[in-house]
Amino acid sequence: AQSVTQLDSQVPVFEEAPVELRCNYSSSVSVYLFWYVQYPNQGLQLLLKYLSGSTLVESINGFEAEFNKSQTSFHLRKPSVHISDTAEYFCAVSEVQGAQKLVFGQGTRLTINP
Amino acid sequence: GAGVSQTPSNKVTEKGKYVELRCDPISGHTALYWYRQSLGQGPEFLIYFQGTGAADDSGLPNDRFFAVRPEGSVSTLKIQRTERGDSAVYLCASSPRVGSYNEQFFGPGTRLTVL
Repeated sequence: AQSVTQLDSQVPVFEEAPVELRCNYSSSVSVYLFWYVQYPNQGLQLLLKYLSGSTLVESINGFEAEFNKSQTSFHLRKPSVHISDTAEYFCAVSEVQGAQKLVFGQGTRLTINP
Repeated sequence: GAGVSQTPSNKVTEKGKYVELRCDPISGHTALYWYRQSLGQGPEFLIYFQGTGAADDSGLPNDRFFAVRPEGSVSTLKIQRTERGDSAVYLCASSPRVGSYNEQFFGPGTRLTVL
């Protein structure tokens, strides 16, 4: 079985400041890693994913995450946030084989202050 | 093209009643997942269909919950004798299952409130 821990339930930052949302996972088998975003009053959207290869993955809107196998982490970072990044962010894992059902963390609410 | 749709968007019911929640996946997607998101929590897996069959129902909390997908497309999640603890947003996702990795596309969810 897998589990995901998001260490911060809420993260307030000022606009244009850097941010890091932390995620640690536990699994006895190989997993894929994901960050999903849920904007206010919208559904879950895939932000970025790690499947294999380069441990640093990027999204189209400036977020990046780095897979660290030894620390079992997949932290999400952005060097300069915008008001429009205000959302709930979920880290998730799925087994590489089988149903690939997603196991989510509890979420981190990112609030951007002007 | 059209994304995953779920109906109704909101459902209010009384304790003990029966409810059905519907999911229309993206056309051609053979895999369909149901998740439940309680307030302040991340989504939790309920059940996975590959085609018409439930390939993994390990997340269903008890026998009051049941889901079907009779023609391999639309799926219905059925909850009998609803309890206040069933109140949550129920999410549906579909994926094409054509390779080693298959992105899941989520619907907007059905918010169920049990009074």
